Amino acid sequence: KQEVTQIPAALSVPEGENLVLNCSFTDSAIYNLQWFRQDPGKGLTSLLLIQSSQREQTSGRLNASLDKSSGRSTLYIAASQPGDSATYLCAVSTSGSRLTFGEGTQLTVNP
Amino acid sequence: DAGVTQSPTHLIKTRGQHVTLRCSPISGHKSVSWYQQVLGQGPQFIFQYYEKEERGRGNFPDRFSARQFPNYSSELNVNALLLGDSALYLCASSRLVITNEKLFFGSGTQLSVL
Repeated sequence: KQEVTQIPAALSVPEGENLVLNCSFTDSAIYNLQWFRQDPGKGLTSLLLIQSSQREQTSGRLNASLDKSSGRSTLYIAASQPGDSATYLCAVSTSGSRLTFGEGTQLTVNP
Repeated sequence: DAGVTQSPTHLIKTRGQHVTLRCSPISGHKSVSWYQQVLGQGPQFIFQYYEKEERGRGNFPDRFSARQFPNYSSELNVNALLLGDSALYLCASSRLVITNEKLFFGSGTQLSVL
């Protein structure tokens, strides 16, 4: 059974700091890994999707890496802003569009 | 273009009642998936439908059922509600059901069971 773990569970940083969120998964037989953002009481917004054959994806200030053999991914956020405050969820796909999610990292960026 | 729309946004029910949640996918998307998110946890997969057929089911009891209509919209039904069914129910759509399709999520239906 695939299990996804995210560390840390919560993170508070001052504005402007670069930060790294971690995600690990137990079964390396994945098709892709996605990072999502969730604002309180809201749905999920897809940030980055890394296919199993890729090592990283970049979008603006976000960079996600994937090491499938070790079962790890990181989300790097450069020059953090208060608007980045949200919960960040990592999810892996092992079948069709079925995703297995971690419990998320709650990020607070202080002005 | 409109995103994934879900209705209602909030719902309060009592134990033992039945509930129906609705989802309209993005235009052109033929696959709909349902997820349950309990407070403080990540979403859990419930169902996936494609072209009106069930393509996957998560580890949920038979009280949970769903269907997809010819216009690709979908309903999630939950019978005999329990307190533990209180959660945010998320619907996601994609064009196809292949493995590298990006999912687009709606804002969810917040269900409270009293």
